[in-house]
Parts: sequence; structure tokens; C-alpha cells
Amino acid sequence: AQSVTQLDSHVSVSEGTPVLLRCNYSSSYSPSLFWYVQHPNKGLQLLLKYTSAATLVKGINGFEAEFKKSETSFHLTKPSAHMSDAAEYFCVVSPSGGSYIPTFGRGTSLIVHP
Amino acid sequence: DTEVTQTPKHLVMGMTNKKSLKCEQHMGHRAMYWYKQKAKKPPELMFVYSYEKLSINESVPSRFSPECPNSSLLNLHLHALQPEDSALYLCASSHGDRNYLEQFFGPGTRLTVL
Repeated sequence: AQSVTQLDSHVSVSEGTPVLLRCNYSSSYSPSLFWYVQHPNKGLQLLLKYTSAATLVKGINGFEAEFKKSETSFHLTKPSAHMSDAAEYFCVVSPSGGSYIPTFGRGTSLIVHP
Repeated sequence: DTEVTQTPKHLVMGMTNKKSLKCEQHMGHRAMYWYKQKAKKPPELMFVYSYEKLSINESVPSRFSPECPNSSLLNLHLHALQPEDSALYLCASSHGDRNYLEQFFGPGTRLTVL
């Protein structure tokens, strides 16, 4: 069994300040973990992925995430928010050892103030 | 080509109509997915095709009928829908190998059922 918990439904930051979106997971198998971004009325775009290589993963648009097995966490960070980062973010887990059906978190809405 | 395309972008239909949604990818992916997404919610998995065979049906009502004519195409046939079926319908594809689990999403079809 697997599950994903995105700890915040909304995160509000000012432009130029750091972003932290939190994600905890549970998985019976060694998981693959992903962060996707969805802008309004658009499809989902992959930001970054962890697939058992380096625990610090760098993605597109300056985002990165660190896989911490001891804390079962995969938090998404960015040093400096931009207005264009305002969107919905989904943390997703797929068990690499079992079925490859992904489980989505509920989503975190990132609001960026000027 | 790393794109998943979906047509149409928007669809309005009555409850007695029959329509189809189309999804296409040319990345050589062998797994394709249909998701339904309501506003402010994560995508909900409907169907998974693996190597052109239906492998997952998440208890979707029979008024939704998927079809995978070949490895590049995925259709979703709609008949006698209800207003609560109005949503964004997303198609996705992935490699099909459990070592490559990231999904590539299309932009979606916004469906309104009157």
C-alpha cells in the first residue's frame, strides 16, 4: 500500500522569498517520487523526480527536492519565488517494486504576492 | 517529440449525446492513462492501458468506454453522461517499464455536460 500526504493545502509567499512545499509518503516498496505542477486549466508538468539515485534532486525552474528516507519526506523547495510559480503542485508516489499506478497527494496551491 | 496531445480542448455535450475524446503520443510509450480531474482536486485515475491492453479500470461507470487502437492512440468514448461528469479529462503516458515511471500529461479536454 502507498499513500501521500501534502501537509499544506495552500502556501502563500512573497515574490523573491523562499518556497517550501511539504510532502510525506508511505510505500511498501522502494518508491519513486515526483513533483508535478499544474497551472490553471493546463495539464500537469513534471518538475522533478526521485528514482533511488541522488537524494537531492534538481528540477526545472530552480526547484529542488530532497528525499529523506528516515523522515519519509520529499519536500519541494525553491530559493526565490517568482510570480509565474503561482500554481497547484502535486506530490506523487509510485512503488517501483509493485504496480506502477501512481498515488497523488491532494495538492498544494502556491500563491505568490508581489 | 515529448508531447501528449488531446483533442478537443473543450467539449460541451447534452446527456443524450455520444462523443469521443482523443489522445496521442509519439514517444514510444507503452502505458497510457485516462484521468478525471475536478476543480481544486488531484487527478483521479480512470483507466490504464499497458501494451494496448486494458490493465486497470477503476470502477468507472460504463457510460465511459476506453479504446486503445494502437500504441500511440487512446480514445475515451462518452455516452449518456451526467452533469456531474463535467470535469477536465487528462490523458497521460509513461514508458511502460517499471524503471521509468514518470508520466507525461496532455493539456486536457474540458468537458461540460448540460
